[in-house]
Amino acid sequence: DQQVKQNSPSLSVQEGRISILNCDYTNSMFDYFLWYKKYPAEGPTFLISISSIKDKNEDGRFTVFLNKSAKHLSLHIVPSQPGDSAVYFCAASVRRGGSNYKLTFGKGTLLTVNP
Amino acid sequence: AAGVIQSPRHLIKEKRETATLKCYPIPRHDTVYWYQQGPGQDPQFLISFYEKMQSDKGSIPDRFSAQQFSDYHSELNMSSLELGDSALYFCASSFLGQEETQYFGPGTRLLVL
Repeated sequence: DQQVKQNSPSLSVQEGRISILNCDYTNSMFDYFLWYKKYPAEGPTFLISISSIKDKNEDGRFTVFLNKSAKHLSLHIVPSQPGDSAVYFCAASVRRGGSNYKLTFGKGTLLTVNP
Repeated sequence: AAGVIQSPRHLIKEKRETATLKCYPIPRHDTVYWYQQGPGQDPQFLISFYEKMQSDKGSIPDRFSAQQFSDYHSELNMSSLELGDSALYFCASSFLGQEETQYFGPGTRLLVL
């Protein structure tokens, strides 16, 4: 049972435009969400995160939006650059009351930004 | 900035052999996580350690064991290797106060023939 779902395996965007990557989750216990970027032959690189007490977090070109009622989050990249081309993983964890924060990942979305 | 170090980066083994993967967390990080990523799959949590004690266990086969040492590095020991163990194995680390954010190493690619 996939608790974190990224339903788009791939996304192609023109340089300078906005990239929107989507993620849905089913486990209502999740209260912390992260986005990682992964290049081939490298480990996932942390991009941005959001706590369930917020609905938006912004860091430079990256903004993550969280809609708790819909159990949906999205990552916006604007403007998109060719160097953003990578696989993007959505991940979730349970923080409250816990001492461990193992991540549950989605299957990833391959973003291609065309020059 | 120092990152998570994993060794070896690549490993080829035969069925039924053993393998040991090593992970050196970012300095001052006290928590280590191990993940397995099969071909075309998302990373799956295996096991984690906090201050040298196992803190959580996921879908780790009984043939695998792991530990965290006094210098906080961790080793994942895999015995009786099977073809299905071929995967990328990632180690991640975090520190008290920012446990939610895990920083990943480059991974070890294990191929079992």
